[in-house]
Amino acid sequence: DAGVTQSPTHLIKTRGQHVTLRCSPISGHKSVSWYQQVLGQGPQFIFQYYEKEERGRGNFPDRFSARQFPNYSSELNVNALLLGDSALYLCASSLSGADYYEQYFGPGTRLTVT
Amino acid sequence: GDSVTQMEGPVTLSEEAFLTINCTYTATGYPSLFWYVQYPGEGLQLLLKATKADDKGSNKGFEATYRKETTSFHLEKGSVQVSDSAVYFCALRATGANSKLTFGKGITLSVRP
Repeated sequence: DAGVTQSPTHLIKTRGQHVTLRCSPISGHKSVSWYQQVLGQGPQFIFQYYEKEERGRGNFPDRFSARQFPNYSSELNVNALLLGDSALYLCASSLSGADYYEQYFGPGTRLTVT
Repeated sequence: GDSVTQMEGPVTLSEEAFLTINCTYTATGYPSLFWYVQYPGEGLQLLLKATKADDKGSNKGFEATYRKETTSFHLEKGSVQVSDSAVYFCALRATGANSKLTFGKGITLSVRP
């Protein structure tokens, strides 16, 4: 079975631009979470979605938004990009939104803001 | 809030050496504890976990015991291999309504032949 997939793999944007990152969960998984991993740091939680509803939000500005589609795939949107948004963005999926299900991580999207 | 503190790295060991990576946490209630590994160019993989005090998680020769009295979850392996070279993250998940993971900064392990 395919694991969590993310697209694109890499992208380069300019300050002030907007970006959309995409994630497809493992088949049968209904929950998707997004994390930001800045170089040299551990991943930081951004959002969790379950059944198209937001279940959790980390300490990120309103420039960050996300949504989940009926097929459980998800998009992370970042507006007005800053240099500090340069990071590896990880998507993780799990069976449901409950806290006891294991999360499976995708390979990430490497975003560089210049 | 919840937090995870890992020992400073990087760590360089010779093959077959003993490994200990320290991890302590701060959290309310009874969190679940995890070790994740990130190999070069790859995503995070769950290495092992423990969900309650005194539980021992183990996988691929790695072990960690959930110590509530010392709020610790140190990772150990008796004999490391070159293939263990990676970045290791300690993480916790608080009990609650969502599956948010709180990670430490990670530590890079390099194993020399």
